Amino acid sequence: GIQVEQSPPDLILQEGANSTLRCNFSDSVNNLQWFHQNPWGQLINLFYIPSGTKQNGRLSATTVATERYSLLYISSSQTTDSGVYFCAVDGAGGTSYGKLTFGQGTILTVHP
Amino acid sequence: KAGVTQTPRYLIKTRGQQVTLSCSPISGHRSVSWYQQTPGQGLQFLFEYFSETQRNKGNFPGRFSGRQFSNSRSEMNVSTLELGDSALYLCASTVLGTDTQYFGPGTRLTVL
Repeated sequence: GIQVEQSPPDLILQEGANSTLRCNFSDSVNNLQWFHQNPWGQLINLFYIPSGTKQNGRLSATTVATERYSLLYISSSQTTDSGVYFCAVDGAGGTSYGKLTFGQGTILTVHP
Repeated sequence: KAGVTQTPRYLIKTRGQQVTLSCSPISGHRSVSWYQQTPGQGLQFLFEYFSETQRNKGNFPGRFSGRQFSNSRSEMNVSTLELGDSALYLCASTVLGTDTQYFGPGTRLTVL
């Protein structure tokens, strides 16, 4: 099946710093989503971005589908950005009904 | 619109018992996917239902089963619980015509 690798596994920042999280995937995808998992376990949608670039406030994401990677940018980080960031994909081909394959996540800690 | 809801939020069971978890999707969403999250294995896909039919299944033993009702609400059942079934169980719903999955808050199951 499709493989998803995220880097770095851990990231520690001071408030106000910028960061880039990376997601590499091993095959063509129809769906790529970035999530933030809060301390209570809920996965919060950040972006649906199988290709192209999107921005939402201090967050932006870019997916280069032909090179099989996606980047999540966090600017001017805040302590509330702390948590685990996941990239998840489904495989192209139309038979992956409802199945997302997740990376192992990047644990982000933002210190005040 | 109300988000995805899951009940119960927390559950403690003993080995050998069975458990049923419930997921109500966002109104109008007909696809429901289930995932298991553990520290060792990360987030893994269990199964997906659409219009009361299981369309996709992950690599889990037959003790894990599910169903979907005509109102799109879904349940998953785990029989003969094992210690390793302790996990956060997440469900997600998807609206027809898009691939974006929206997750519920999860059910945290502890097996003693």
